[in-house]
Amino acid sequence: AQSVSQHNHHVILSEAASLELGCNYSYGGTVNLFWYVQYPGQHLQLLLKYFSGDPLVKGIKGFEAEFIKSKFSFNLRKPSVQWSDTAEYFCAVIPNTGGFKTIFGAGTRLFVKA
Amino acid sequence: EPEVTQTPSHQVTQMGQEVILRCVPISNHLYFYWYRQILGQKVEFLVSFYNNEISEKSEIFDDQFSVERPDGSNFTLKIRSTKLEDSAMYFCASSEITNGELFFGEGSRLTVL
Repeated sequence: AQSVSQHNHHVILSEAASLELGCNYSYGGTVNLFWYVQYPGQHLQLLLKYFSGDPLVKGIKGFEAEFIKSKFSFNLRKPSVQWSDTAEYFCAVIPNTGGFKTIFGAGTRLFVKA
Repeated sequence: EPEVTQTPSHQVTQMGQEVILRCVPISNHLYFYWYRQILGQKVEFLVSFYNNEISEKSEIFDDQFSVERPDGSNFTLKIRSTKLEDSAMYFCASSEITNGELFFGEGSRLTVL
């Protein structure tokens, strides 16, 4: 079955530390890839997306992600986190099979200490 | 900025009761979805809706669940006879294209006692 794995469930960092959240998916065909973020008390919103082209994509608030097809990975990075980045981060995949279902990872809770 | 709105934000119900969760998707979007998140677990796909019919549903979406778009703006999820395990946060989402970005509402927290 298609699935999305996020390696870390909880991450605690100090401000200015670098962040990398791992994401792997299991699907052999082409996919659209997303990272969504949920700030405390808010709804899920898009951080960045990859459909095709340059595998290094930049999103809002200084986040970026790199698609490595050979590793079925789409890791999220930020060079220097801020306290306001405290949130839950979800990796998500839509296989390009004509289906409608976005498959989410279990999420990673990031807490940034001020 | 257009947004997806959901009501109620929180509903408490007794087991066996019917519940209707309401959503107003973004007006020019064509694809509508319900997802749920049981506390501490992952966000799970329930159903997608396009052109006034279900386009895809998960194994979770059994006969107890139904969706409809009664008036061209609202998109509802009905649970006919709630069970304890239906307690979750239910998210409505909409999108412009079938495999694109989802725009989520703030969720409706359902608690079944």
